[in-house]
Amino acid sequence: GAGVSQSPSNKVTEKGKDVELRCDPISGHTALYWYRQSLGQGLEFLIYFQGNSAPDKSGLPSDRFSAERTGGSVSTLTIQRTQQEDSAVYLCASSLVPGTSYEQYFGPGTRLTVT
Amino acid sequence: AQSVAQPEDQVNVAEGNPLTVKCTYSVSGNPYLFWYVQYPNRGLQFLLKYITGDNLVKGSYGFEAEFNKSQTSFHLKKPSALVSDSALYFCAVRDEDNFNKFYFGSGTKLNVKP
Repeated sequence: GAGVSQSPSNKVTEKGKDVELRCDPISGHTALYWYRQSLGQGLEFLIYFQGNSAPDKSGLPSDRFSAERTGGSVSTLTIQRTQQEDSAVYLCASSLVPGTSYEQYFGPGTRLTVT
Repeated sequence: AQSVAQPEDQVNVAEGNPLTVKCTYSVSGNPYLFWYVQYPNRGLQFLLKYITGDNLVKGSYGFEAEFNKSQTSFHLKKPSALVSDSALYFCAVRDEDNFNKFYFGSGTKLNVKP
């Protein structure tokens, strides 16, 4: 079946511009995660959605970052007034059962380059 | 605070030889541990997990990992490496207080040479 998809695959933007990154999770998966993967670094947790519950935003690095999930499916990560340090690969993952013991299924990522 | 550490940025092994990719963790309670693999230009794929039970966990593609509580380690192993195993490997642990969060290591690049 279809896996997690993300778009665009690559995004180059100028410093100060806003960007939107999209994630389509696996159908039926109620949990959705956003991570950031910087060069030479591990994955950094950004935000988590579960069903209709309030999202866990504890990993967002600044108020320039926001995310929403419409209809419990597609999610959009928005970065306002991008900075060069925002350059990274942004990964989305979904999970059938929330949290704990169940594995996450990752999308291919969006590589963001801020010039 | 919970964390995992992958002490090796890169591991080189010859095809057919056994491989080990190291991971150590830091949690105060019982850890939920995971290994993921990232092939070039592809998303991370789940390999295996340890929740409870047997210390030796078997996963996808012939990989296994051994949970060692006394050494706080969860090393990934495979008896005979394949060139196709060359990829980036990540260890992860679930946050004890916030079950929604997972902490990933910095990754280890495995190079298997023919």
